[in-house]
Amino acid sequence: EVQLVQSGAEVKKPGESLRISCKGSEYSFTSYWITWVRQMPGKGLEWMGKIDPSDSYTNYNPSFQGHVTFSADKSISTAYLQWSSLKASDTAMYYCARSSSNHEDYWGQGTLVTVSS
Amino acid sequence: DIQMTQSPSTLSASVGDRVTITCRASESVSNWLAWYQQKPGKAPKLLVFKASSLENGVPSRFSGSGSGTEFTLTISSLQPDDFATYYCQQYNRYSTFGQGTKLEIK
Repeated sequence: EVQLVQSGAEVKKPGESLRISCKGSEYSFTSYWITWVRQMPGKGLEWMGKIDPSDSYTNYNPSFQGHVTFSADKSISTAYLQWSSLKASDTAMYYCARSSSNHEDYWGQGTLVTVSS
Repeated sequence: DIQMTQSPSTLSASVGDRVTITCRASESVSNWLAWYQQKPGKAPKLLVFKASSLENGVPSRFSGSGSGTEFTLTISSLQPDDFATYYCQQYNRYSTFGQGTKLEIK
Protein backbone atom coordinates (compact mmCIF):
# COMPACT_ATOMS: atom_id res chain seq x y z
CA GLU A 1 0.00 0.00 0.00
CA VAL A 2 1.26 3.46 -0.90
CA GLN A 3 2.34 5.38 2.20
CA LEU A 4 3.68 8.83 2.94
CA VAL A 5 5.05 9.12 6.48
CA GLN A 6 5.87 12.57 7.81
CA SER A 7 8.20 13.59 10.61
CA GLY A 8 6.87 14.45 14.04
CA ALA A 9 5.51 17.65 15.53
CA GLU A 10 7.89 20.55 16.06
CA VAL A 11 7.93 23.49 18.46
CA LYS A 12 10.26 26.32 17.44
CA LYS A 13 10.98 29.95 18.26
CA PRO A 14 10.65 32.79 15.75
CA GLY A 15 13.79 33.15 13.67
CA GLU A 16 14.80 29.50 14.01
CA SER A 17 15.26 27.20 11.05
CA LEU A 18 13.40 23.94 10.47
CA ARG A 19 13.23 21.06 8.02
CA ILE A 20 10.39 18.55 8.04
CA SER A 21 10.31 15.35 6.02
CA CYS A 22 7.98 13.12 4.05
CA LYS A 23 9.04 9.54 3.22
CA GLY A 24 7.29 7.63 0.48
CA SER A 25 7.03 3.87 0.27
CA GLU A 26 5.43 1.10 -1.80
CA TYR A 27 5.56 3.06 -5.06
CA SER A 28 8.16 4.46 -7.44
CA PHE A 29 9.10 7.65 -5.60
CA THR A 30 10.62 9.32 -8.67
CA SER A 31 7.51 8.77 -10.81
CA TYR A 32 5.25 11.22 -8.94
CA TRP A 33 5.63 14.79 -7.81
CA ILE A 34 5.27 15.55 -4.08
CA THR A 35 2.93 18.41 -3.16
CA TRP A 36 3.02 20.42 0.07
CA VAL A 37 -0.19 21.82 1.60
CA ARG A 38 -0.59 24.16 4.56
CA GLN A 39 -3.56 24.22 6.93
CA MET A 40 -3.49 26.98 9.51
CA PRO A 41 -5.41 26.38 12.75
CA GLY A 42 -9.14 26.17 12.06
CA LYS A 43 -8.65 27.17 8.41
CA GLY A 44 -8.76 25.61 4.96
CA LEU A 45 -6.18 24.01 2.70
CA GLU A 46 -3.53 26.05 0.87
CA TRP A 47 -1.45 24.64 -1.99
CA MET A 48 2.17 25.60 -1.34
CA GLY A 49 3.74 23.97 -4.39
CA LYS A 50 5.37 20.76 -5.48
CA ILE A 51 8.66 19.07 -6.29
CA ASP A 52 9.62 16.43 -8.82
CA PRO A 53 11.82 13.99 -6.86
CA SER A 54 13.44 12.67 -10.03
CA ASP A 55 15.31 15.93 -10.70
CA SER A 56 14.27 18.23 -7.81
CA TYR A 57 12.49 20.61 -10.18
CA THR A 58 10.13 22.77 -8.16
CA ASN A 59 6.91 24.70 -8.76
CA TYR A 60 6.07 27.15 -5.98
CA ASN A 61 2.84 28.97 -5.25
CA PRO A 62 3.98 32.62 -5.57
CA SER A 63 2.48 33.28 -2.13
CA PHE A 64 5.07 30.94 -0.56
CA GLN A 65 8.05 31.42 -2.86
CA GLY A 66 11.07 32.84 -1.08
CA HIS A 67 9.88 31.82 2.38
CA VAL A 68 10.05 28.03 2.07
CA THR A 69 12.27 25.61 0.18
CA PHE A 70 11.38 22.19 -1.18
CA SER A 71 14.01 19.52 -1.64
CA ALA A 72 14.17 15.78 -2.15
CA ASP A 73 16.60 12.89 -1.73
CA LYS A 74 15.52 10.21 -4.14
CA SER A 75 18.04 7.73 -2.73
CA ILE A 76 15.95 7.51 0.44
CA SER A 77 12.55 8.36 -1.10
CA THR A 78 12.18 11.44 1.06
CA ALA A 79 10.98 14.96 0.36
CA TYR A 80 11.63 17.94 2.60
CA LEU A 81 10.06 21.30 3.41
CA GLN A 82 12.30 23.80 5.09
CA TRP A 83 12.33 27.28 6.52
CA SER A 84 15.44 29.36 7.24
CA SER A 85 13.69 31.81 9.56
CA LEU A 86 10.35 30.85 11.04
CA LYS A 87 7.60 33.32 11.91
CA ALA A 88 4.69 32.91 14.30
CA SER A 89 2.42 32.93 11.25
CA ASP A 90 4.05 29.67 10.07
CA THR A 91 2.20 27.86 12.85
CA ALA A 92 0.14 25.28 10.98
CA MET A 93 -0.31 21.67 10.02
CA TYR A 94 1.71 20.79 6.94
CA TYR A 95 0.77 17.90 4.71
CA CYS A 96 2.72 16.24 1.94
CA ALA A 97 0.82 14.40 -0.77
CA ARG A 98 1.57 12.38 -3.88
CA SER A 99 0.57 14.24 -7.02
CA SER A 100 -1.02 12.04 -9.67
CA SER A 101 -1.82 13.98 -12.85
CA ASN A 102 -1.83 17.12 -10.68
CA HIS A 103 -4.41 16.01 -8.15
CA GLU A 104 -3.31 14.55 -4.83
CA ASP A 105 -4.18 10.88 -4.36
CA TYR A 106 -2.23 9.85 -1.24
CA TRP A 107 -1.51 12.08 1.74
CA GLY A 108 0.85 11.99 4.69
CA GLN A 109 -0.52 12.18 8.21
CA GLY A 110 0.60 15.79 8.63
CA THR A 111 3.30 17.55 10.65
CA LEU A 112 2.22 20.17 13.17
CA VAL A 113 4.62 23.10 13.36
CA THR A 114 4.22 25.51 16.27
CA VAL A 115 6.24 28.72 16.30
CA SER A 116 6.09 30.63 19.56
CA SER A 117 8.41 32.72 21.67
CA ASP B 1 -4.75 33.46 -9.47
CA ILE B 2 -7.80 31.29 -9.99
CA GLN B 3 -10.22 31.68 -7.08
CA MET B 4 -12.47 28.82 -6.02
CA THR B 5 -15.69 29.60 -4.15
CA GLN B 6 -17.74 26.87 -2.48
CA SER B 7 -21.32 27.12 -1.36
CA PRO B 8 -22.71 26.74 1.12
CA SER B 9 -19.98 27.19 3.74
CA THR B 10 -22.00 25.10 6.19
CA LEU B 11 -24.68 22.56 5.41
CA SER B 12 -26.94 20.85 7.96
CA ALA B 13 -28.49 17.59 6.84
CA SER B 14 -29.80 14.27 8.10
CA VAL B 15 -28.81 10.67 7.46
CA GLY B 16 -30.44 9.58 4.22
CA ASP B 17 -30.63 13.08 2.71
CA ARG B 18 -29.36 13.90 -0.75
CA VAL B 19 -26.95 16.83 -0.58
CA THR B 20 -25.15 18.93 -3.17
CA ILE B 21 -22.12 21.16 -2.71
CA THR B 22 -21.24 23.71 -5.39
CA CYS B 23 -17.81 24.99 -6.39
CA ARG B 24 -17.33 27.94 -8.76
CA ALA B 25 -14.07 28.95 -10.40
CA SER B 26 -13.16 32.54 -11.24
CA GLU B 27 -12.17 31.38 -14.74
CA SER B 28 -12.47 28.16 -16.67
CA VAL B 29 -10.52 25.21 -15.31
CA SER B 30 -11.86 22.81 -17.95
CA ASN B 31 -12.45 19.56 -16.01
CA TRP B 32 -9.32 19.81 -13.86
CA LEU B 33 -11.25 19.71 -10.62
CA ALA B 34 -10.96 17.40 -7.59
CA TRP B 35 -13.00 16.94 -4.41
CA TYR B 36 -11.62 15.94 -1.01
CA GLN B 37 -13.15 14.96 2.32
CA GLN B 38 -11.45 15.91 5.56
CA LYS B 39 -12.38 14.79 9.05
CA PRO B 40 -11.11 16.55 12.19
CA GLY B 41 -7.48 15.76 12.93
CA LYS B 42 -7.06 13.75 9.73
CA ALA B 43 -5.50 14.30 6.35
CA PRO B 44 -7.76 15.04 3.38
CA LYS B 45 -8.99 12.07 1.34
CA LEU B 46 -9.44 12.19 -2.43
CA LEU B 47 -13.01 11.48 -3.52
CA VAL B 48 -13.31 12.68 -7.12
CA PHE B 49 -10.77 13.79 -9.76
CA LYS B 50 -11.12 15.20 -13.24
CA ALA B 51 -14.51 16.61 -12.18
CA SER B 52 -16.44 13.32 -12.34
CA SER B 53 -14.06 10.37 -11.94
CA LEU B 54 -14.57 8.51 -8.68
CA GLU B 55 -11.37 7.51 -6.88
CA ASN B 56 -10.94 3.77 -6.27
CA GLY B 57 -12.66 2.64 -3.08
CA VAL B 58 -14.92 5.68 -2.74
CA PRO B 59 -18.59 4.71 -2.28
CA SER B 60 -20.81 5.18 -5.30
CA ARG B 61 -23.16 7.49 -3.36
CA PHE B 62 -20.56 10.20 -4.10
CA SER B 63 -20.60 11.76 -7.56
CA GLY B 64 -19.08 14.81 -9.20
CA SER B 65 -20.17 16.80 -12.22
CA GLY B 66 -19.51 20.02 -14.09
CA SER B 67 -16.94 21.64 -16.32
CA GLY B 68 -15.57 25.07 -17.03
CA THR B 69 -16.43 27.21 -14.02
CA GLU B 70 -19.23 25.40 -12.19
CA PHE B 71 -18.97 22.04 -10.43
CA THR B 72 -20.99 20.00 -7.97
CA LEU B 73 -20.35 17.19 -5.52
CA THR B 74 -23.45 15.17 -4.71
CA ILE B 75 -23.95 12.61 -1.96
CA SER B 76 -27.03 10.63 -2.89
CA SER B 77 -27.92 9.29 0.57
CA LEU B 78 -25.96 10.64 3.52
CA GLN B 79 -24.37 8.12 5.85
CA PRO B 80 -23.09 8.84 9.39
CA ASP B 81 -19.50 8.59 8.16
CA ASP B 82 -20.04 11.40 5.63
CA PHE B 83 -20.25 14.25 8.14
CA ALA B 84 -17.00 16.09 7.47
CA THR B 85 -15.58 19.10 5.63
CA TYR B 86 -15.37 18.98 1.84
CA TYR B 87 -12.96 20.90 -0.37
CA CYS B 88 -12.81 21.41 -4.10
CA GLN B 89 -9.45 21.95 -5.83
CA GLN B 90 -8.65 23.25 -9.29
CA TYR B 91 -5.44 22.04 -10.90
CA ASN B 92 -5.67 23.65 -14.30
CA ARG B 93 -3.14 26.38 -13.52
CA TYR B 94 -1.07 25.95 -10.37
CA SER B 95 -3.61 24.71 -7.86
CA THR B 96 -6.17 26.33 -5.57
CA PHE B 97 -8.55 24.94 -2.99
CA GLY B 98 -12.00 26.22 -2.18
CA GLN B 99 -12.62 27.49 1.34
CA GLY B 100 -14.42 24.31 2.38
CA THR B 101 -17.98 23.22 3.15
CA LYS B 102 -18.69 21.80 6.59
CA LEU B 103 -21.40 19.15 6.49
CA GLU B 104 -23.09 18.91 9.88
CA ILE B 105 -25.71 16.66 11.37
CA LYS B 106 -29.11 18.35 11.57
